[in-house]
Amino acid sequence: SAVISQKPSRDICQRGTSLTIQCQVDSQVTMMFWYRQQPGQSLTLIATANQGSEATYESGFVIDKFPISRPNLTFSTLTVSNMSPEDSSIYLCSFQEGSYGYTFGSGTRLTVV
Amino acid sequence: DQQVKQNSPSLSVQEGRISILNCDYTNSMFDYFLWYKKYPAEGPTFLISISSIKDKNEDGRFTVFLNKSAKHLSLHIVPSQPGDSAVYFCAASGGSQGNLIFGKGTKLSVKP
Repeated sequence: SAVISQKPSRDICQRGTSLTIQCQVDSQVTMMFWYRQQPGQSLTLIATANQGSEATYESGFVIDKFPISRPNLTFSTLTVSNMSPEDSSIYLCSFQEGSYGYTFGSGTRLTVV
Repeated sequence: DQQVKQNSPSLSVQEGRISILNCDYTNSMFDYFLWYKKYPAEGPTFLISISSIKDKNEDGRFTVFLNKSAKHLSLHIVPSQPGDSAVYFCAASGGSQGNLIFGKGTKLSVKP
């Protein structure tokens, strides 16, 4: 099955700054998904990213706060903008792959101080 | 309102015994259910899935049971091994959205 490389694996950022998380897949995938897991919570979908179109955001998430790029079928980025301590979470990218379900990146552990 | 619920945050089982992880859902539109295993500092890895047209799916030591009338599914691991110690997430999807709704996870500890 295909493999996702996600980076950075972790970062500590100052409030008010932005962080861009990258995901690279070793094969072409149509849809990529970005999730957030806040401490003690389940994984929550932020948005779905299709190549060549704007991302579709879930309720409670907006493009100004979480801009996403999907320049081609193997790559996507999620930016967490104007960060506050409430943004401290694990962020994961994912794609659906046939009957194997969804494959996830290894996650980015973000701490905002 | 949580659509997928894992009511047990943790479970401890002796090696060799059966582990049963439970999951309840509220949305009757869900038609595909998955279990993921997550080790610390790693992303979730796919374990096993079941479509709503089935009530059981088995893969080696792992079996998932689906009770649609009760909106309940469970993951059975037998025999349990210390390497099974991880957080297990139940997830569901439905319709044409393609996204997953996750439970909060159950931390399984298998003791030697």
